Amino acid sequence: DAGITQSPRHKVTETGTPVTLRCHQTENHRYMYWYRQDPGHGLRLIHYSYGVKDTDKGEVSDGYSVSRSKTEDFLLTLESATSSQTSVYFCAISELLAGGFHEQFFGPGTRLTVL
Amino acid sequence: QKEVEQDPGPLSVPEGAIVSLNCTYSNSAFQYFMWYRQYSRKGPELLMYTYSSGNKEDGRFTAQVDKSSKYISLFIRDSQPSDSATYLCAMSAVTGGSYIPTFGRGTSLIVHP
Repeated sequence: DAGITQSPRHKVTETGTPVTLRCHQTENHRYMYWYRQDPGHGLRLIHYSYGVKDTDKGEVSDGYSVSRSKTEDFLLTLESATSSQTSVYFCAISELLAGGFHEQFFGPGTRLTVL
Repeated sequence: QKEVEQDPGPLSVPEGAIVSLNCTYSNSAFQYFMWYRQYSRKGPELLMYTYSSGNKEDGRFTAQVDKSSKYISLFIRDSQPSDSATYLCAMSAVTGGSYIPTFGRGTSLIVHP
């Protein structure tokens, strides 16, 4: 599992409340990613980070912010949760292999329900 | 039109069948082609990857890339109930910048005994 943990693993919250999901890695990887996975849409990139304090938007970044103050932690925040953000959230890291291929490893996921 | 198209299924086959999973894509810059397997309530895990065109075999699994047709396939021989999962294709270009793969929607495979 490349030493990736996500917390919490499950969360139920109400519309309008702030929510922060945490991704923690133990192997000092430079790249970290947040995806959401929904039926019919597959994996969609929310935000990614290419170093401490270096982040960029993915295809579905509206309503989400991220922070990375340490190499090992990548936080995803929903400032004011909406029902459309009910989803399974996956964190990932990528490792550069010999030959130039980046292998991605995914965390176990966080199931978020916004009522 | 999405950059990567993948039929979500479900695809239901009997044990022992040969399974063919496919994706099409539109971005000719893609050079790495990946297949991920995702069991229910788990994160995706890399099954195999191919660089550029050609075939790659790993046990019962064969990945095939046809860049001229922008079409990739994953074949599973002698399928087993333990192969039941969602299979996601993914692709990426070779760039000097950040690594951002593009995923298909995933195909749900059910192998019944």
